[in-house]
Amino acid sequence: DAKTTQPTSMDCAEGRAANLPCNHSTISGNEYVYWYRQIHSQGPQYIIHGLKNNETNEMASLIITEDRKSSTLILPHATLRDTAVYYCIVRVGSSTLGRLYFGRGTQLTVWP
Amino acid sequence: SAVISQKPSRDICQRGTSLTIQCQVDSQVTMMFWYRQQPGQSLTLIATANQGSEATYESGFVIDKFPISRPNLTFSTLTVSNMSPEDSSIYLCSVDKGTAINGGYTFGSGTRLTVV
Repeated sequence: DAKTTQPTSMDCAEGRAANLPCNHSTISGNEYVYWYRQIHSQGPQYIIHGLKNNETNEMASLIITEDRKSSTLILPHATLRDTAVYYCIVRVGSSTLGRLYFGRGTQLTVWP
Repeated sequence: SAVISQKPSRDICQRGTSLTIQCQVDSQVTMMFWYRQQPGQSLTLIATANQGSEATYESGFVIDKFPISRPNLTFSTLTVSNMSPEDSSIYLCSVDKGTAINGGYTFGSGTRLTVV
């Protein structure tokens, strides 16, 4: 699986959009971009994933550049409860290759 | 997505002893995984628990230290053997429901282990 690079930490004011970048310059054509987050002392929570098109769900939006070498997770209206470590992971989307490898992630702190 | 019950949620153990952690899923899943998260660190994959065969271990992890069972498609155990304080971590079970449509992965709430 391709390697990802994320900033160690970011902060954001409550109510503002949080934009979390991720570089994955060695991503392969069949690899998906996944985002998970881990709130302190809890198991990681799935947020969103995509292959090449932008994706949006009730939690967030995922913007993937045209060359797929980077992406941005957008939390449109951050709340204090969004304070967590956010992990960007790339992996083959096939169900036969199920392993997820976590990098260091980005510690997002949302302040009032 | 699947619902995972992981037990115990936390434990304090004496060095030299062993602890078995259980992971129960509410539906049949193809792949189950065990992770370790040391204090202040990211998650590290220990092994993949395969139903009907031996677990597949990641580099740096061995069966003698972390024996794993997978008797059926809804249950797995991880044993941390001959524990030392360095084994103090959160251990997490994860399952892959086998589809990329909804992200696929669900994690248990973890077992917080302290070895004294």
